Amino acid sequence: AQSVAQPEDQVNVAEGNPLTVKCTYSVSGNPYLFWYVQYPNRGLQFLLKYITGDNLVKGSYGFEAEFNKSQTSFHLKKPSALVSDSALYFCAVRDRNYGQNFVFGPGTRLSVLP
Amino acid sequence: DVKVTQSSRYLVKRTGEKVFLECVQDMDHENMFWYRQDPGLGLRLIYFSYDVKMKEKGDIPEGYSVSREKKERFSLILESASTNQTSMYLCASRHQVQDEQFFGPGTRLTVL
Repeated sequence: AQSVAQPEDQVNVAEGNPLTVKCTYSVSGNPYLFWYVQYPNRGLQFLLKYITGDNLVKGSYGFEAEFNKSQTSFHLKKPSALVSDSALYFCAVRDRNYGQNFVFGPGTRLSVLP
Repeated sequence: DVKVTQSSRYLVKRTGEKVFLECVQDMDHENMFWYRQDPGLGLRLIYFSYDVKMKEKGDIPEGYSVSREKKERFSLILESASTNQTSMYLCASRHQVQDEQFFGPGTRLTVL
């Protein structure tokens, strides 16, 4: 079975500082990994994905994530946080050998303080 | 850009009512999904559809049904709404050979 953990409900960071939002996953096969962001009263917006290849993937709005197979992690990072990055972030996984379904983590609320 | 629209942003219904939530996508995607989002639980899959007239149960299908009569439209039906179905409902679509899903803006349903 697939599962995703986001160990932090809330992450607070000062504007201009680097941010990290953590994600670990469990799949039986090889994973497709995704990050989505949700602003208040909005649907989810796609940020970035890891399918294959380079372990460091770059996405929208200056975000990047690093796939670490040995640690089964896919942490989201940004070198310099903006107040406008404050939102709810979801990590998701799809087992490429197990159908079309995604499994989403519980979400991490990021607050960037001015 | 892919556009996924949902018929209502906010909806208030009474216990026992039949509720229809509509979702339309404009990119000819084969796959469509209905999720509910609750605080601390993330997104949970209710139903999904691979193609017209095809449907599969997700993780929490009880109390829900779906309909996909046209490729662009995927409807979620609450046959008899209950208070525990108060939630945010999100629709998503995905092309068969792409990876990411594209989400609608969500419908916040309150059942009184």
